[in-house]
Amino acid sequence: DIVLTQSPALAVSLGQRATISCRASQSVSTSSYNLMHWYQQKPGEQPKLLIYDASNLASGIPVRFSGSGSGTDFTLTINPVQADDIATYYCQQSRELPFTFGSGTKLEIK
Amino acid sequence: EVQLVESGGGLVQPGRSLKLSCAASGFTFSNYGMAWVRQTPTKGLEWVASISTGGGNTYYRDSVKGRFTISRDNAKNTQYLQMDSLRSEDTATYYCARQDKRLHWFAYWGQGTLVTVSS
Repeated sequence: DIVLTQSPALAVSLGQRATISCRASQSVSTSSYNLMHWYQQKPGEQPKLLIYDASNLASGIPVRFSGSGSGTDFTLTINPVQADDIATYYCQQSRELPFTFGSGTKLEIK
Repeated sequence: EVQLVESGGGLVQPGRSLKLSCAASGFTFSNYGMAWVRQTPTKGLEWVASISTGGGNTYYRDSVKGRFTISRDNAKNTQYLQMDSLRSEDTATYYCARQDKRLHWFAYWGQGTLVTVSS
């Protein structure tokens, strides 16, 4: 299985940039797609899709969210961070089955 | 508005069966692949199974193959997860999710239903 590694937590100040990383144990890119996707989950709620194919913003998601990366290294950026962004963020790969998720990065306010 | 509503969770003894349902609305159900994803505090998010638009193709994680069956009824806008021979490690919140047309990401999620396997 492809293992996705995320840092457990990240503390940022409101209005600043948050950079959340996800590293895959093998490449999740093809010649056509970077098959990494990002989700936000707030306590007590279901996950919500933010970014698909590494850099495409999902419908209804604010433009302060963006994604980048290819191969094994991917980044979710939130700029500027707002109070409503406090949540846990997960990456997910679809390069091969089983689909796997990272363990999540909890975004905290300094 | 896309809505996915799970039902059927609860407390079940090891070795017994349970069937989850997911009622979909707000989109053309038959046009999208569907999936089940589960979550626990210890293991995090785990993809369980996916099913293609017509139901002809199904995919499972190894730990549930032969025990779980994903299915759908496009006339009823509903997908199902039949879970047999349940184990304590199947205890989790189970989410119904609508996938994208390429069956890669999970575009919409239900609110989840808790399955507890315990004697």
